Amino acid sequence: KQEVTQIPAALSVPEGENLVLNCSFTDSAIYNLQWFRQDPGKGLTSLLLIQSSQREQTSGRLNASLDKSSGRSTLYIAASQPGDSATYLCAPRGKLIFGQGTELSVKP
Amino acid sequence: DVKVTQSSRYLVKRTGEKVFLECVQDMDHENMFWYRQDPGLGLRLIYFSYDVKMKEKGDIPEGYSVSREKKERFSLILESASTNQTSMYLCASSRQEKLFFGSGTQLSVL
Repeated sequence: KQEVTQIPAALSVPEGENLVLNCSFTDSAIYNLQWFRQDPGKGLTSLLLIQSSQREQTSGRLNASLDKSSGRSTLYIAASQPGDSATYLCAPRGKLIFGQGTELSVKP
Repeated sequence: DVKVTQSSRYLVKRTGEKVFLECVQDMDHENMFWYRQDPGLGLRLIYFSYDVKMKEKGDIPEGYSVSREKKERFSLILESASTNQTSMYLCASSRQEKLFFGSGTQLSVL
């Protein structure tokens, strides 16, 4: 059974810092991995989708990497801003399982 | 932009009531999903559908049913609401393996 772990569970950083969020999964038989952000009380917004054949995807200040063989993905956020404060979730796709998320707070 | 619309943002119901949560997507997606999200438990899949009139159980289907009479609409039904079904309910649809979510329905069962 696929298990997804996100570390850390919560993170607080000052504005401007670069940071890395981690996602690990136990079953490497996935066909893609998607990163989402969720603002309090809201739905999930898709950030990046990495196909299993890809190593990374970039969108603006966000960069996501995928290493299927080791069951890991990272989300790198450059020059963090207070507007980045949210919960970030990863979802390796095969079975539709989500991590519990990393709650990020960026202080002005 | 893809739009996944959930009919209610907040809903308060009584124990034993029959509850309908509606979800509509406007991009002709085959795949639609219902999740619930609870603190400490994350998102859990209730039901999903890959086609009209087709449904599959997810990880926690007990106490729920679904209906997909038209491609764009996927309804979640609580036959007899109970207090342990108080939760945030999230609908999603997918195209080319990318998931798109609605804004969620916060259901409180009293």
